[in-house]
Amino acid sequence: AQKITQTQPGMFVQEKEAVTLDCTYDTSDQSYGLFWYKQPSSGEMIFLIYQGSYDEQNATEGRYSLNFQKARKSANLVISASQLGDSAMYFCAMREGILEYGNKLVFGAGTILRVKS
Amino acid sequence: DGGITQSPKYLFRKEGQNVTLSCEQNLNHDAMYWYRQDPGQGLRLIYYSQIVNDFQKGDIAEGYSVSREKKESFPLTVTSAQKNPTAFYLCASSIDQSKDRGFTGELFFGEGSRLTVL
Repeated sequence: AQKITQTQPGMFVQEKEAVTLDCTYDTSDQSYGLFWYKQPSSGEMIFLIYQGSYDEQNATEGRYSLNFQKARKSANLVISASQLGDSAMYFCAMREGILEYGNKLVFGAGTILRVKS
Repeated sequence: DGGITQSPKYLFRKEGQNVTLSCEQNLNHDAMYWYRQDPGQGLRLIYYSQIVNDFQKGDIAEGYSVSREKKESFPLTVTSAQKNPTAFYLCASSIDQSKDRGFTGELFFGEGSRLTVL
């Protein structure tokens, strides 16, 4: 089974509007971490936001927030007030187990976001 | 500035040739990783190393080899045994452990190396 599923291959959003990128995950571990990365066309991976499995509050970082629904195993990324520079590929990733066992991340297939002016 | 440097950015190889991709970091991170990215498939882990002189296979290690002789360096060799080596290769590093409450352990990535087999 896929560990990380991103069901939206591509999304369009109007500039200044909010957009939600979906991510569901599969793990039997109680301790895990969820990450979102942005990959512009240049190729580098930019870390956006992190949610730990024991964190009770949804993570927020500026215009990015993570809608964490543990029972549904979903960790959707919400981008508010979209900007043209947000056009990129977005990856959801998961680290299973506690950090002491290593920090390997498993990535989803990604969602391409295009912001329209 | 601290960061991860991958070289070369673009590389062309003939079938049957081995090629080595360089990855150097000056972040003083203990752990380093190699990922492969193909279109529509996200990133897949090739090898990782949590400490000097030790490394483990990831999900797609066949046809690849690595070494970790220095903390700051983690080169990847794509051997002729790799059947479909054309891909985008990303190196990353992370702090392996921390007692800091807000520690996330995120990976820091280089800018990638694009390998094309002719």
